[in-house]
Amino acid sequence: EADIYQTPRYLVIGTGKKITLECSQTMGHDKMYWYQQDPGMELHLIHYSYGVNSTEKGDLSSESTVSRIRTEHFPLTLESARPSHTSQYLCASSVGTGGSSVYGYTFGSGTRLTVV
Amino acid sequence: QQQVKQSPQSLIVQKGGISIINCAYENTAFDYFPWYQQFPGKGPALLIAIRPDVSEKKEGRFTISFNKSAKQFSLHIMDSQPGDSATYFCAAHPGSARQLTFGSGTQLTVLP
Repeated sequence: EADIYQTPRYLVIGTGKKITLECSQTMGHDKMYWYQQDPGMELHLIHYSYGVNSTEKGDLSSESTVSRIRTEHFPLTLESARPSHTSQYLCASSVGTGGSSVYGYTFGSGTRLTVV
Repeated sequence: QQQVKQSPQSLIVQKGGISIINCAYENTAFDYFPWYQQFPGKGPALLIAIRPDVSEKKEGRFTISFNKSAKQFSLHIMDSQPGDSATYFCAAHPGSARQLTFGSGTQLTVLP
């Protein structure tokens, strides 16, 4: 049973539309991340958060924005979708401190976004 | 700047063979080295991990070999099975920073 949930799993949307990809985790993890990935390819970090009201941009420049109002919720928003945004978006979370397992990330199943 | 270099990009192995994926790093501050396995349509899942104070860790058919002096680590999959066909990512965590650095991934195909 997944402890991190992403919705929707698949989304096809027209150019110019505003979209929000949802990510929720039930593990109480402080840290959450958004990655962009073309199928089977590299993971590109686009946003991360170390706690409520804390968000930072990742290594890959992205036109998306994120918010972290609650510990368990880390939504990603695209104000105006474009075909170049077509990709898979993966959400992940990890514990903040202590122990060898703390650096392990738990990933969601991803949202496959297609902008037409 | 990619801090963890992974090779090969793709790998084809016969059933029963040994699959070997290699990673190299430069940052000596890295203190945790996990491997992730990703099946199509799924997110990556933690497979096995090692700390630099040990040279090898084995879990079932999966073994991490770690060479601290060479700054290299590798994943060995013994008796590879078609069900092992997936994309594998190595990663490293620098203790002073707060996020994993992933390798570029290896697409493994195990032929029946």
